[in-house]
Amino acid sequence: TQLLEQSPQFLSIQEGENLTVYCNSSSVFSSLQWYRQEPGEGPVLLVTVVTGGEVKKLKRLTFQFGDARKDSSLHITAAQPGDTGLYLCAGLTSNAGNMLTFGGGTRLMVKP
Amino acid sequence: SQTIHQWPATLVQPVGSPLSLECTVEGTSNPNLYWYRQAAGRGLQLLFYSVGIGQISSEVPQNLSASRPQDRQFILSSKKLLLSDSGFYLCAWSVEGPLHFGNGTRLTVT
Repeated sequence: TQLLEQSPQFLSIQEGENLTVYCNSSSVFSSLQWYRQEPGEGPVLLVTVVTGGEVKKLKRLTFQFGDARKDSSLHITAAQPGDTGLYLCAGLTSNAGNMLTFGGGTRLMVKP
Repeated sequence: SQTIHQWPATLVQPVGSPLSLECTVEGTSNPNLYWYRQAAGRGLQLLFYSVGIGQISSEVPQNLSASRPQDRQFILSSKKLLLSDSGFYLCAWSVEGPLHFGNGTRLTVT
């Protein structure tokens, strides 16, 4: 069973601060996805990273896939209240029927 | 464009009662369909997935079952609900890519 550990589980910061969320595993993934979920809604895909060492930027969000494709990070610069939500990482293993393994999530609250 | 509909949005059911949650997808053919459960705003636990009509794989043995009577319809059922079945249930679809989720059903078993 593959396991994805996200840290921290909870994060409360002030508007304008920077933060990093980590997603770690002992397993290798063919790709890794990051989702954001707001209360009462389903998760929405933010980005997919595929290549080891890959860095993708989405406005103030920077996603990195580890060189060994076992870990990933999400960095938010100058956080805003609209960034508040649950951030989920999910690893895809192609040799396991293309099944996604989800991390436990990081609940972010950005205070104005 | 593709859309996914999941209903009802909220449901309160007594222990021992049956359950039927429905999910339909529009705008795509032969999608992979999934039922997840999410506890208290945390990660997602895969319950069932289906790669085609009548094909259901169960990831976690429990009090629930799933059926796929049509290509774009996925149903989550239970004959007798338990208190531990309470949670947030999410339906999702994919076609060789990321998951696209519905807005979920908040189930409270009383």
